[in-house]
Amino acid sequence: RKEVEQDPGPFNVPEGATVAFNCTYSNSASQSFFWYRQDCRKEPKLLMSVYSSGNEDGRFTAQLNRASQYISLLIRDSKLSDSATYLCVVLNYGGSQGNLIFGKGTKLSVKP
Amino acid sequence: NAGVTQTPKFRVLKTGQSMTLLCAQDMNHEYMYWYRQDPGMGLRLIHYSVGEGTTAKGEVPDGYNVSRLKKQNFLLGLESAAPSQTSVYFCASRQDHEQYFGPGTRLTVT
Repeated sequence: RKEVEQDPGPFNVPEGATVAFNCTYSNSASQSFFWYRQDCRKEPKLLMSVYSSGNEDGRFTAQLNRASQYISLLIRDSKLSDSATYLCVVLNYGGSQGNLIFGKGTKLSVKP
Repeated sequence: NAGVTQTPKFRVLKTGQSMTLLCAQDMNHEYMYWYRQDPGMGLRLIHYSVGEGTTAKGEVPDGYNVSRLKKQNFLLGLESAAPSQTSVYFCASRQDHEQYFGPGTRLTVT
């Protein structure tokens, strides 16, 4: 089983739609969780951290379910500029020297 | 504050040639990483460093060597390039939670 698994998509949605991405991780000792965004032919950039209580940043909401080892990202009122690949990321302290483990990403395409 | 920079941005090599990719960061980060990204494969860790003078193997280290002689620089070497090393290479540095990536190097080996 891969350490971090995501549905690769693509998710094709109209502007204004709400879309949700899911991610599962295999290491129950994982301690920190993130969503990164990667635009086409660009480097990944941190979108938001994911906290146990869930957190929101504008139109973006991240949730963590430790019991199910599951992370989600919800995007409301999608914009054309949200088109990108979203990477689920897990940080394992004390494991592989604190390396971030990246999922392969979920591609989102928002259409007019 | 330039963040993470990579040199060169593009390169075409012939099979068997060697080259060095340079990564530099000005954030005084301890951790630095080299990844490759191929279509459908996601980011794969090649080598990483937890501090000046230290390096360690990642998921796909074969065919690559690295050095971290100075804290701000992390070099990735290809001694004898192969077509399978055609990829986009990303360097990154990290302190605490956030990992910062360089803009990438697009390498083609013919």
